[in-house]
Amino acid sequence: KNEVEQSPQNLTAQEGEFITINCSYSVGISALHWLQQHPGGGIVSLFMLSSGKKKHGRLIATINIQEKHSSLHITASHPRDSAVYICAVSSSNYQLIWGAGTKLIIKP
Amino acid sequence: DAGITQSPRHKVTETGTPVTLRCHQTENHRYMYWYRQDPGHGLRLIHYSYGVKDTDKGEVSDGYSVSRSKTEDFLLTLESATSSQTSVYFCATKTGLAGGTGETQYFGPGTRLLVL
Repeated sequence: KNEVEQSPQNLTAQEGEFITINCSYSVGISALHWLQQHPGGGIVSLFMLSSGKKKHGRLIATINIQEKHSSLHITASHPRDSAVYICAVSSSNYQLIWGAGTKLIIKP
Repeated sequence: DAGITQSPRHKVTETGTPVTLRCHQTENHRYMYWYRQDPGHGLRLIHYSYGVKDTDKGEVSDGYSVSRSKTEDFLLTLESATSSQTSVYFCATKTGLAGGTGETQYFGPGTRLLVL
């Protein structure tokens, strides 16, 4: 069993829908990261959180430390949100443990 | 975004030849990482560096070596390339400073390597 599990693996939705991507982990962590990889390949960090909730524009990330679970939400989704969303956790000072990613497609 | 560049961006090589990929950063970040990304696997850590001349292995280090002679540059060498090393290689950096965004990793644009 992977230490970081994401669901769903693939998600297709219509423009405007509310999107939720989930991440569960089985190790102790100091922080959890959400990243976005565009179809062109570039990887961008979206959030780093260790408790509670963070919001940036239409993106919201939450974490429940007790349940070892995080969610990434996208409100009013748009085709430009189509990307792979990756969850990763910091369990040591040097390395991240990566989820396999969720491929999101938003249709116009 | 941190100034991270990778070179070359694309490379085609033959089995058995040595290959060196370069990661260059202008942000003075202490930590640098090399990952490979393959379909169905996500990102996998090859090697990382926690300072000049300080490096360690990641989960998929066999067949790869690294060097970091100065803060700005982290080199990844495939000693004798194999077809299984065909992949997209990403470099990343972080400051590692306590608090704030010290744990956030910043990624280079990636290098597509094809080993024939």
